[in-house]
Amino acid sequence: RKEVEQDPGPFNVPEGATVAFNCTYSNSASQSFFWYRQDCRKEPKLLMSVYSSGNEDGRFTAQLNRASQYISLLIRDSKLSDSATYLCVVDTGFQKLVFGTGTRLLVSP
Amino acid sequence: ETGVTQSPTHLIKTRGQQVTLRCSSQSGHNTVSWYQQALGQGPQFIFQYYREEENGRGNFPPRFSGLQFPNYSSELNVNALELDDSALYLCASSLDGDPETQYFGPGTRLLVL
Repeated sequence: RKEVEQDPGPFNVPEGATVAFNCTYSNSASQSFFWYRQDCRKEPKLLMSVYSSGNEDGRFTAQLNRASQYISLLIRDSKLSDSATYLCVVDTGFQKLVFGTGTRLLVSP
Repeated sequence: ETGVTQSPTHLIKTRGQQVTLRCSSQSGHNTVSWYQQALGQGPQFIFQYYREEENGRGNFPPRFSGLQFPNYSSELNVNALELDDSALYLCASSLDGDPETQYFGPGTRLLVL
């Protein structure tokens, strides 16, 4: 079983749609969780951290369910510029970030 | 734009050769982590350097080695290159290894023929 699992997609949605990505992780001792965004042929960039209480940044909402070892990212009112690969990332606490394979999002006009 | 830079941007090598990739960390950062990203995959952690010492290593063979210098810049060395080493190599700098301060460089694309 992979340490971090994501649906690779692609998710094809129209502008203005709401889309949700899910991610599961296997190490129950994992301490911190993140969503990164990676544009084609570019480096990953931190989108947001994920806290147990959930957190929101504009159109983006991230949630963590430790009991189910499950992380989610919700994007509301999708924009063309949201088209990218979204990487779920888990900090196992051993100076090691574990990345999922990423979920590709394509937003169309 | 982050302050993390990497060189070279692209590199072509043949099997069995050795390669050195370089990374300059963002000002004020003392930790550098290296990742390998194969096509269609997420980045995989190779190792981390903190204040010139290796501070954590992923599941990579010993032919992957590194250094960190007093100015916190870093090198990744790969010996005896294999075809499967073809990938994007990313370095990321952070303050004291805190992932919330981590920024990635643009990467070096390595092709092994």
